[in-house]
Amino acid sequence: AQKVTQAQTEISVVEKEDVTLDCVYETRDTTYYLFWYKQPPSGELVFLIRRNSFDEQNEISGRYSWNFQKSTSSFNFTITASQVVDSAVYFCALSVKEYGNKLVFGAGTILRVKS
Amino acid sequence: KAGVTQTPRYLIKTRGQQVTLSCSPISGHRSVSWYQQTPGQGLQFLFEYFSETQRNKGNFPGRFSGRQFSNSRSEMNVSTLELGDSALYLCASSLGLQGDYEQYFGPGTRLTVT
Repeated sequence: AQKVTQAQTEISVVEKEDVTLDCVYETRDTTYYLFWYKQPPSGELVFLIRRNSFDEQNEISGRYSWNFQKSTSSFNFTITASQVVDSAVYFCALSVKEYGNKLVFGAGTILRVKS
Repeated sequence: KAGVTQTPRYLIKTRGQQVTLSCSPISGHRSVSWYQQTPGQGLQFLFEYFSETQRNKGNFPGRFSGRQFSNSRSEMNVSTLELGDSALYLCASSLGLQGDYEQYFGPGTRLTVT
């Protein structure tokens, strides 16, 4: 079975602080995909990144960066110089090849960025 | 390119009624998945359709069903509504089936059962 754990229920930071959202996953499959989504108050899930299990390269996109470590089954997400607009719920998700596009989501982390 | 669209955006129904929700994927996307989001259970997978065939199904009772049309548009139906079915229903579309493509979500349909 697949499982995603986001241990941080809620994080509050002050604008311009860096913040890291943790994600730990469990799967026995060797081919799997990891995702991060952002859910602002409007409710729509906004795609941020997809990573496959064979690509452990870290990725940076503007103020966002992701650290994928298979050794610890983690796929952490860092926002540098946070802004109020980053306030949202962030979800980490996992899919495995055997089950197509079925995403198993973590419980989400509420990020509050205060000005 | 237009994103994933869902109709209606909001719906209020009474216990025992049935409801049909619609999802139009991004043009060219053939996979449509449905999810239920509630405060207690979080985001849970309902089912996935690809080329008009259900490919995967989550752990939901048979009251929840879906279908996909030849133009990849999808509908989900919930019969004999219960209070616990109140949720945000999200659909996602993707180019392929194996998880090696991005999945994009629609704005959701918020269903309230009274």
